[in-house]
Amino acid sequence: QKEVEQNSGPLSVPEGAIASLNCTYSDRVSQSFFWYRQYSGKSPELIMSIYSNGDKEDGRFTAQLNKASQYVSLLIRDSQPSDSATYLCAVGGAGGTSYGKLTFGQGTILTVHP
Amino acid sequence: DGGITQSPKYLFRKEGQNVTLSCEQNLNHDAMYWYRQDPGQGLRLIYYSQIVNDFQKGDIAEGYSVSREKKESFPLTVTSAQKNPTAFYLCASSIIYRGIYQPQHFGDGTRLSIL
Repeated sequence: QKEVEQNSGPLSVPEGAIASLNCTYSDRVSQSFFWYRQYSGKSPELIMSIYSNGDKEDGRFTAQLNKASQYVSLLIRDSQPSDSATYLCAVGGAGGTSYGKLTFGQGTILTVHP
Repeated sequence: DGGITQSPKYLFRKEGQNVTLSCEQNLNHDAMYWYRQDPGQGLRLIYYSQIVNDFQKGDIAEGYSVSREKKESFPLTVTSAQKNPTAFYLCASSIIYRGIYQPQHFGDGTRLSIL
């Protein structure tokens, strides 16, 4: 069973639409949650971090966390072609053998078409 | 500017050869990490270190070795025992605040191929 699982892509949305990316995790005591964007051939760059239940907004990006459901999502409003990339969900371990580790999902490829 | 520097950007390994990938950071971060990424895949953790002179194996440590003699440096050696080394290698660093993991910052990566 995968520890961090993202919805399988690729996801294609028209320019101006809302893109919704989802992620579930198995370690119930996880405390740190991150979304990274990775353009082809480049290294990942952080776009959102969230630590508490609820929503966190930053510009066109909104991260949503539900620890009871072990679910974290990323919404991208007014999607632009420049948002086309692979989005990686990462979960920080809280203790035991997970301490000190971020576990990444396999990534979801997003394509925004004009 | 603070950041993480990985070198070289491209590296070729001959059969039976060990190669070392460099990672240096000037962010004053305590924790450093090495990941491997294969085409179309997520990141898999090779080794990580939270303090100088200490490091732990990640999920795919076999065929790799590391050292952490200085806070700023965390080199990765890909040994001849790693039979399928072709991948994109990423180094990252982060702070750990009150046991809560802060975001990891990544270098630009090293692409390793076998000849």
